[in-house]
Amino acid sequence: GAVVSQHPSWVICKSGTSVKIECRSLDFQATTMFWYRQFPKQSLMLMATSNEGSKATYEQGVEKDKFLINHASLTLSTLTVTSAHPEDSSFYICSARAGAREDTQYFGPGTRLTVL
Amino acid sequence: GESVGLHLPTLSVQEGDNSIINCAYSNSASDYFIWYKQESGKGPQFIIDIRSNMDKRQGQRVTVLLNKTVKHLSLQIAATQPGDSAVYFCAENRNKFYFGSGTKLNVKP
Repeated sequence: GAVVSQHPSWVICKSGTSVKIECRSLDFQATTMFWYRQFPKQSLMLMATSNEGSKATYEQGVEKDKFLINHASLTLSTLTVTSAHPEDSSFYICSARAGAREDTQYFGPGTRLTVL
Repeated sequence: GESVGLHLPTLSVQEGDNSIINCAYSNSASDYFIWYKQESGKGPQFIIDIRSNMDKRQGQRVTVLLNKTVKHLSLQIAATQPGDSAVYFCAENRNKFYFGSGTKLNVKP
């Protein structure tokens, strides 16, 4: 149980285009989802916290207008990288938490974004 | 500031030996810690967790030790196998996860 999927697993796009990444909790309802970014050989950096039905909370230094997050249902959150540039190339990972009192986060397999 | 960090960035061990990966944290108010394993190109995989009211917890071939006095966390892997080769992260949970910088474990056959 507690499986989180991401789609696509990898994407290559041209500079200036927008890319949407989906995060789904397959066998549980996720009240909270988190989006992380990971550059090569570095740790995971939290970008934003997404609660179903409300606006996402962004970490300091993360542009909310560039990284649009939508958490429309208890099983789906999306991250849209708008007007992508080569420096946005990274590994994007989502995680999901089942409830407010739950501590454990279940991570997705990640999405490799390459911006040309 | 608050941080979760690791002492050893790379650890090489012989297959069959025991591995110990260390982590230091700076926020004494943290009450929940998790170890994750990440293989290349994949998302983090949960290994084991521990709450601050415990000092030791054992899983299958893994043991986590928590020393709150010195704010230190360690992951012990018994009889390390080639499949254990990965990057290991500790994370500190205070409603959000704060990840350490990671330790790469190389298991030599």
